[in-house]
Amino acid sequence: EAGVTQFPSHSVIEKGQTVTLRCDPISGHDNLYWYRRVMGKEIKFLLHFVKESKQDESGMPNNRFLAERTGGTYSTLKVQPAELEDSGVYFCASSQFSGSPYNEQFFGPGTRLTVL
Amino acid sequence: KQEVTQIPAALSVPEGENLVLNCSFTDSAIYNLQWFRQDPGKGLTSLLLIQSSQREQTSGRLNASLDKSSGRSTLYIAASQPGDSATYLCAAPGYGGATNKLIFGTGTLLAVQP
Repeated sequence: EAGVTQFPSHSVIEKGQTVTLRCDPISGHDNLYWYRRVMGKEIKFLLHFVKESKQDESGMPNNRFLAERTGGTYSTLKVQPAELEDSGVYFCASSQFSGSPYNEQFFGPGTRLTVL
Repeated sequence: KQEVTQIPAALSVPEGENLVLNCSFTDSAIYNLQWFRQDPGKGLTSLLLIQSSQREQTSGRLNASLDKSSGRSTLYIAASQPGDSATYLCAAPGYGGATNKLIFGTGTLLAVQP
């Protein structure tokens, strides 16, 4: 069974440009999460989709970040315009069960974003 | 608000030694707790998920315990090997209904010397 995949693995852009990250969850997982780790900090939650609906977007830093999950399959995270402080590693995770003791989240390899 | 702390921040041990990594959390009303491993430049690999009704969970040389009353979890690694060298992270669900988002500790960087 394929795991969570993310594309691209690494992106280098200039301040003010737009970048779109993609995540493909494990097949059959309704729950999809975005997290990020900025330099020297712990991994922090950004948002949670249940199918195509945003269940919790309390971690989104500002309105320069837009996440979508059309059709409840893959998800995209767009940063527009990118700022220097957006640099970090963006992780995607998926899970089968939400809000239960069985909610084990499986993570992708991450996208390393560098904003110059 | 859930907060997760891991100690030590870094640990270096000789090969073959048994070791314990510690994780503490502030909100004990959790469904479960998850331990991960991260290798340099890689994603997170889920090692163990302990449900709130369990006290221990084992996978090979790894054993994780959960004590909700004291807000602590430990990851025990038996007979450590150089291949165990990585960053180990624990994560607990967030507080107050937002139980699907994980709150991470800063991790323990483990180096096993051959």
